[in-house]
Amino acid sequence: NAGVTQTPKFQVLKTGQSMTLQCAQDMNHNSMYWYRQDPGMGLRLIYYSASEGTTDKGEVPNGYNVSRLNKREFSLRLESAAPSQTSVYFCATGTGVRNEQFFGPGTRLTVL
Amino acid sequence: GQQLNQSPQSMFIQEGEDVSMNCTSSSIFNTWLWYKQEPGEGPVLLIALYKAGELTSNGRLTAQFGITRKDSFLNISASIPSDVGIYFCAGLQAGTALIFGKGTTLSVSS
Repeated sequence: NAGVTQTPKFQVLKTGQSMTLQCAQDMNHNSMYWYRQDPGMGLRLIYYSASEGTTDKGEVPNGYNVSRLNKREFSLRLESAAPSQTSVYFCATGTGVRNEQFFGPGTRLTVL
Repeated sequence: GQQLNQSPQSMFIQEGEDVSMNCTSSSIFNTWLWYKQEPGEGPVLLIALYKAGELTSNGRLTAQFGITRKDSFLNISASIPSDVGIYFCAGLQAGTALIFGKGTTLSVSS
């Protein structure tokens, strides 16, 4: 069992370019989450999906869109990347019952 | 939005020492979680707490859910070099997403 996988591991973009970060889980969890982690800021929630077919904004959604493709997959899209979006992005899944969350290894994104 | 105040921000200790860190808030939480993050990795869940006053251990780690439900504590006994990392607390209120503290960075010298 891979748990939570994220692709790519690293990415460098130029300002204005677009890209999609992929997340997949084999834990059969209903809930999935996207966070960004910046130095000194901890983990901040971008978007989450409580179940297949639903998505909701988190604390910092501006500049991002998400798609819950099916129960396993939850993608994060940057339509027009900005330097302020340079960060480490983590996907997580949760049981939705007690809300313990399990994290992927992260995608390190640099926007020049 | 809601905030969790995690302290200390960083710790530099000798191998074998005990470590204590805490997380406080002005709000009440129903669940407290403690995570550890190593360089280049995602956070890994260490301990989950669900009831006020609950004390739970995981090896050399012990965490407590504060009686007031506004705080939580993590202790590490007899630290070893592999304890190095960033420790995050996270709290959950009914109907909301998890809120994370900003982390305590632990350095252990042998």
